[in-house]
Amino acid sequence: EVQLVESGGGLVQPGGSLRLSCSASGFTFSHFEMNWVRQAPGKGLEWVSHVSANGDTIYYANSVKGRFTISRDNAKNSLSLQMDGLRAEDAAVYYCATGVWFRFPDWGQGTLVTVSS
Amino acid sequence: QSVLTQPASVSGSPGQSITISCTGTTFDVGSHNFVSWYQHHPGKAPKFIIFEATKRPSGISDRFSGSKSGNTASLTISGLQADDEADYYCCAYLGTWVFGGGTKLTVL
Repeated sequence: EVQLVESGGGLVQPGGSLRLSCSASGFTFSHFEMNWVRQAPGKGLEWVSHVSANGDTIYYANSVKGRFTISRDNAKNSLSLQMDGLRAEDAAVYYCATGVWFRFPDWGQGTLVTVSS
Repeated sequence: QSVLTQPASVSGSPGQSITISCTGTTFDVGSHNFVSWYQHHPGKAPKFIIFEATKRPSGISDRFSGSKSGNTASLTISGLQADDEADYYCCAYLGTWVFGGGTKLTVL
């Protein structure tokens, strides 16, 4: 059974940094693309970032480009999102999700990021 | 505001059918079939229910079906059940990915 477990969320001040992690199990992690998707309070889903299976190809949404960095460690079955220069509008539940042929088959339960002074 | 337009809400009674539309442009929904749909119960992980506009992943009830015509993709849920009450999102690949604004389904 595919399991994706996010961690690292919390309260951070505007301008601060936070590092999210996603621990994967139940599948061959190194074979799958991975993504971060977020949902701000009262808003819809927003795709944030994508990394290819071997880590060579990375994409970001314009809203986070230059501030967020996605990475993965296939030896540890782990996905990360380094978030710097956080803004109030980055407050959201962040989900990690697998990627297969332009779709997101599996999702974690999410981790909450709150940006407030 | 998303480039994919969904109705904010739809409703139906148990046993009825409803359809949720997802309207894009000739540059996204209209140019390929890489449209997927997700069911999201608040507080839970989103669930993948349709891919490539019309295909159902294994384990998803055949009450869920997808279609596409021109620049609009649609999700139809037949035989509505109470547990279908959730938010539904379309998603299209445009070089990167974009979600529709979401549709809240209320089962009356």
